[in-house]
Amino acid sequence: AQSVTQLDSHVSVSEGTPVLLRCNYSSSYSPSLFWYVQHPNKGLQLLLKYTSAATLVKGINGFEAEFKKSETSFHLTKPSAHMSDAAEYFCVVSDKNRDDKIIFGKGTRLHILP
Amino acid sequence: KAGVTQTPRYLIKTRGQQVTLSCSPISGHRSVSWYQQTPGQGLQFLFEYFSETQRNKGNFPGRFSGRQFSNSRSEMNVSTLELGDSALYLCASRSDREVSSGETQYFGPGTRLLVL
Repeated sequence: AQSVTQLDSHVSVSEGTPVLLRCNYSSSYSPSLFWYVQHPNKGLQLLLKYTSAATLVKGINGFEAEFKKSETSFHLTKPSAHMSDAAEYFCVVSDKNRDDKIIFGKGTRLHILP
Repeated sequence: KAGVTQTPRYLIKTRGQQVTLSCSPISGHRSVSWYQQTPGQGLQFLFEYFSETQRNKGNFPGRFSGRQFSNSRSEMNVSTLELGDSALYLCASRSDREVSSGETQYFGPGTRLLVL
């Protein structure tokens, strides 16, 4: 069975410092992994996705994530935080099997300190 | 291409009433999924429709139902509303080429439902 765990419910960083949002997954098959961002009162926007191509995935707004199969992790990083990055981030796993269910993590709220 | 649209954006109902929410997917997308988002439970999967058939279903009571039309537009219905049904309901679509390979979902802005 699939599952996804976002290790931190809240993360606070100062503007201009690096961001690390952690995600671990469990999957019986070959997973697709995604990060979505949700700004207040908005829908979800795709940041990036991994689908068994390159393990280092670059997304929008300077975010990237690395798929590490040995650690079953897909952590999201950004070298330098910006005030506009304050939002909730969701890690998502989807298995490439017939059921193709999509599982969302509980979310990590990112706070940017001036 | 226009994105996923959801109507209405905001809705206030009272306990015991029923509600119907609508979702229009991106043109050409045949898969539509519905999610409920609450502060306590986070994002929870309700169901997915593909070509007018329910393909996957989450763990919600039978009061929650949906359907999809031949033009891929989808509706979600909640009967006998309870206070706990207050939530943001999100709809997402993906292209039929991607359904079997876990590809990208595109989300609408959501319908915020308040049950009094």
